[in-house]
Amino acid sequence: EAGVTQSPTHLIKTRGQQATLRCSPISGHTSVYWYQQALGLGLQFLLWYDEGEERNRGNFPPRFSGRQFPNYSSELNVNALELEDSALYLCASSLGNRAGANVLTFGAGSRLTVL
Amino acid sequence: AQSVTQLDSQVPVFEEAPVELRCNYSSSVSVYLFWYVQYPNQGLQLLLKYLSGSTLVKSINGFEAEFNKSQTSFHLRKPSVHISDTAEYFCAVTRSGGYNKLIFGAGTRLAVHP
Repeated sequence: EAGVTQSPTHLIKTRGQQATLRCSPISGHTSVYWYQQALGLGLQFLLWYDEGEERNRGNFPPRFSGRQFPNYSSELNVNALELEDSALYLCASSLGNRAGANVLTFGAGSRLTVL
Repeated sequence: AQSVTQLDSQVPVFEEAPVELRCNYSSSVSVYLFWYVQYPNQGLQLLLKYLSGSTLVKSINGFEAEFNKSQTSFHLRKPSVHISDTAEYFCAVTRSGGYNKLIFGAGTRLAVHP
């Protein structure tokens, strides 16, 4: 069974540009979560999609947005890039949306560098 | 809302020595607790979890963690570490019976030296 796959692995952009990151969940998983892992800050919750809908978002500005497609894959868009957006962006998926029984499985991440 | 504090950003230890990685949480409701491990250039992998029942939970590779409700802690321990345990360890919390959104701590980097 394929795990959570993310693309691209690395992405280099300049300030003001837009970045798009993609995530394919494990087959059958309907919930997708995005986290930002910036140096020294741990994992910060960004967005949660479930059954095609945005269910919750973390404390990030509106220039961070995304969507979930009918096949449950997801993309994260970051507009008007700033230097502090440089981070590893991790995607996770789970079979259901209830805590405990449905473990989050993470992808290897997309490293975004903003110059 | 829940929050997690990992008290040590880095823990250096010699091979075969015991180790404890500390995690404290804050919540006004019952919680589920997790430890994830991140090896270099990889995503996070679930190490162990506490949902209910026995407060001592164990992983297949020798780690264990104990849920202590009175001290709001979920410390991770291993009696004898290996070089291969070098990684970053994240403690996470979510409301029991709630949705699957996890809140993570800042992480503890475990460095095992020969």
